[in-house]
Amino acid sequence: DAGVTQSPTHLIKTRGQQVTLRCSPISGHKSVSWYQQVLGQGPQFIFQYYEKEERGRGNFPDRFSARQFPNYSSELNVNALLLGDSALYLCASSLEGGHSPLHFGNGTRLTVT
Amino acid sequence: DAKTTQPPSMDCAEGRAANLPCNHSTISGNEYVYWYRQIHSQGPQYIIHGLKNNETNEMASLIITEDRKSSTLILPHATLRDTAVYYCIVLIKAAGNKLTFGGGTRVLVKP
Repeated sequence: DAGVTQSPTHLIKTRGQQVTLRCSPISGHKSVSWYQQVLGQGPQFIFQYYEKEERGRGNFPDRFSARQFPNYSSELNVNALLLGDSALYLCASSLEGGHSPLHFGNGTRLTVT
Repeated sequence: DAKTTQPPSMDCAEGRAANLPCNHSTISGNEYVYWYRQIHSQGPQYIIHGLKNNETNEMASLIITEDRKSSTLILPHATLRDTAVYYCIVLIKAAGNKLTFGGGTRVLVKP
């Protein structure tokens, strides 16, 4: 079975631009979460979606938004990019919205210049 | 969520057991202990979790002390592919998928 897939794998954007990152969860998984990992640090929670509804939000500005589609795939949008948004963005899926183990994709590496 | 403390790094000989400690002295009764690892350039990988009983799966064993204030992840026969950053996380069930990653332990398995 395919794991969590994310696209694109790498992306370079300029300050002030907007970016959309995509995630396809493991088949049968209804919950998707997004994490940001800055170089040298552990991942930080951004959002969780379950059954297309937002279940949790981390300490990120309103420039960050996300949504989940009927097929449980998800998009993360970041507006007005800053240099500090350069990071690895990780998507994870799980069977349910509770504490079932997360399965992570290999991320999208975003570089903001 | 309770805070965890892990050593920043440790070395292990290939073929030997690797014992990774984690301190979570403020853990509450309904918090689970989770372990994930992250191999370079990949997303984190779930290893194991437990509440108060010791747990074992095909990857590792998790030993939780009786007072639940600390735990140890055991990789029984470390291989070079086990070189990674290992994260110990405590999680209340109601927190859903909001994992709080600390600094983790950077494990280097040497031949």
